[in-house]
Amino acid sequence: RKEVEQDPGPFNVPEGATVAFNCTYSNSASQSFFWYRQDCRKEPKLLMSVYSSGNEDGRFTAQLNRASQYISLLIRDSKLSDSATYLCVVNKLANSGYALNFGKGTSLLVTP
Amino acid sequence: GAGVSQSPSNKVTEKGKDVELRCDPISGHTALYWYRQSLGQGLEFLIYFQGNSAPDKSGLPSDRFSAERTGGSVSTLTIQRTQQEDSAVYLCASTKTGAGNTIYFGEGSWLTVV
Repeated sequence: RKEVEQDPGPFNVPEGATVAFNCTYSNSASQSFFWYRQDCRKEPKLLMSVYSSGNEDGRFTAQLNRASQYISLLIRDSKLSDSATYLCVVNKLANSGYALNFGKGTSLLVTP
Repeated sequence: GAGVSQSPSNKVTEKGKDVELRCDPISGHTALYWYRQSLGQGLEFLIYFQGNSAPDKSGLPSDRFSAERTGGSVSTLTIQRTQQEDSAVYLCASTKTGAGNTIYFGEGSWLTVV
């Protein structure tokens, strides 16, 4: 089983739609969780951290279920500019610090 | 500088030649990562440096790949005897020590082996 798994998509949604992405991780010792966004031919950039109690940033809501080892990202009122690949990132304690595992990403295309 | 700096931004090399890619992390960041991303693919972990600890080299795909980090700052990724399958963007990232800290990526070095 891969350490971080995501549905690759693509998700094609109309503007204004609500879309949800899911991610599962295999290591129960994982400590920190993030969603990154990557635009075409650009480097990944942090979208938001994911906290145990769930957290919201504007139109974006992230949730974590440690028991199920599951992370989600909800985007409400999709904008054309939300079109990108969304990467689930899980941070775990390694021998010399914290290792980062990236999912392969979920592709989102928001259409007019 | 304010962000992670990588050079060269683009490199075209002939099969069999060696290449060196450089990463200058954000000042004060003790952790440094190298990832590789082939066209349309996810990020592939290569190597991780944390302070003065031995690096985690578990992601290096072959012994043609090596990396070093001098003085706890600048890192160089070296690919010897390049192959066409090495063509990818090589992304460097840095972060402060700690579990919950954001990692910051450079813009990448786009390598094409012809």
